[in-house]
Amino acid sequence: NAGVTQTPKFRVLKTGQSMTLLCAQDMNHEYMYWYRQDPGMGLRLIHYSVGEGTTAKGEVPDGYNVSRLKKQNFLLGLESAAPSQTSVYFCASSSRRERNEQFFGPGTRLTVL
Amino acid sequence: LAKTTQPISMDSYEGQEVNITCSHNNIATNDYITWYQQFPSQGPRFIIQGYKTKVTNEVASLFIPADRKSSTLSLPRVSLSDTAVYYCLVGAHTGGFKTIFGAGTRLFVKA
Repeated sequence: NAGVTQTPKFRVLKTGQSMTLLCAQDMNHEYMYWYRQDPGMGLRLIHYSVGEGTTAKGEVPDGYNVSRLKKQNFLLGLESAAPSQTSVYFCASSSRRERNEQFFGPGTRLTVL
Repeated sequence: LAKTTQPISMDSYEGQEVNITCSHNNIATNDYITWYQQFPSQGPRFIIQGYKTKVTNEVASLFIPADRKSSTLSLPRVSLSDTAVYYCLVGAHTGGFKTIFGAGTRLFVKA
């Protein structure tokens, strides 16, 4: 049981490049989330999903897109990366019944030059 | 969404009990209170959740007064490994939502 995994762990992009971050969970959770965390700050919700095929905007959705084609996977895309998107990205999942108990992945450290 | 207020930082010594208080004056009737712990370079980890009165597990206790406008996370006999950031969240137990993590409380445990 791996829990929540994220790919890649580190990435450096140039401004304007695109990339996709992959999140996978093996707990059969209905809910999945993408957060970003900037140095010394709390987590901010980018997008979330309450089920396969559905996504919704969080607190800071601009510049990001997401897709949830399979229940176990939640993808976060950056179409045209900007230096302001340099951050650590965390994926999390939770069950519908216990949605406040979120399980987090190890994070992806992204640097945009 | 109920906003939370926590102290920015706290210091303690090994073996002491640490109490971190969170204010959430506009908590809604169906909101639960949840606490997370985050170590450097790791994702947050769920610690405890409660609705009212007192909840205890193997890691911590959560005290919630009758008016539910605040809550206190209690960590018994802390060790150096408890040095972390602690987040208080308030939100409904089920259904659609937007999770709000504040800046958290940075706890530093000294030897």
